[in-house]
Amino acid sequence: AQKVTQAQTEISVVEKEDVTLDCVYETRDTTYYLFWYKQPPSGELVFLIRRNSFDEQNEISGRYSWNFQKSTSSFNFTITASQVVDSAVYFCALSDLYSSASKIIFGSGTRLSIRP
Amino acid sequence: EAGVAQSPRYKIIEKRQSVAFWCNPISGHATLYWYQQILGQGPKLLIQFQNNGVVDDSQLPKDRFSAERLKGVDSTLKIQPAKLEDSAVYLCASSLDRFNSPLHFGNGTRLTVT
Repeated sequence: AQKVTQAQTEISVVEKEDVTLDCVYETRDTTYYLFWYKQPPSGELVFLIRRNSFDEQNEISGRYSWNFQKSTSSFNFTITASQVVDSAVYFCALSDLYSSASKIIFGSGTRLSIRP
Repeated sequence: EAGVAQSPRYKIIEKRQSVAFWCNPISGHATLYWYQQILGQGPKLLIQFQNNGVVDDSQLPKDRFSAERLKGVDSTLKIQPAKLEDSAVYLCASSLDRFNSPLHFGNGTRLTVT
């Protein structure tokens, strides 16, 4: 069965600090996809990144970086030099290629607050 | 490119009343999803359509929830009768296909059942 765990319910840091959001997943499939979504106060979920299980290269996009480690079933998200606009709820999600309907399962989210 | 449109934005009803939500996905997106997001939780899939056919409705409380996607474009989600525990944000999303394409979400409908 699929499962996504985001153990950090809330994180609060001061602007310009680096912050890492943890994501641990469970799946029986060898082929799967992992996602991160951002949900700002406006409520709309915004897609940030998708990685497939065969690509373990870390990825960097501006101040955002993602660390995918199959050995620990983790897909962590780091924001460098955080800004107030980064304040949002961040969701990690998992989809196996061969599961019923390729359903995307979301974690419970981490609420990130950046203090000025 | 226009995003996923949802209406209404907010809805307040009394328990046992009925309510309907509407969603217009991104043009060309074959797959449409309805998610329920209870406060403080991640979105939970209610139903997934591929064109106008249902692919997965295993978590849809079928005794009170129904959904349709006529002509494979717009979709409507209905609750009848509503219960207090249905208070949540109902999110519609669409994607190019069902095979792990990123989801594009609408702003959601915040439902309060009193």
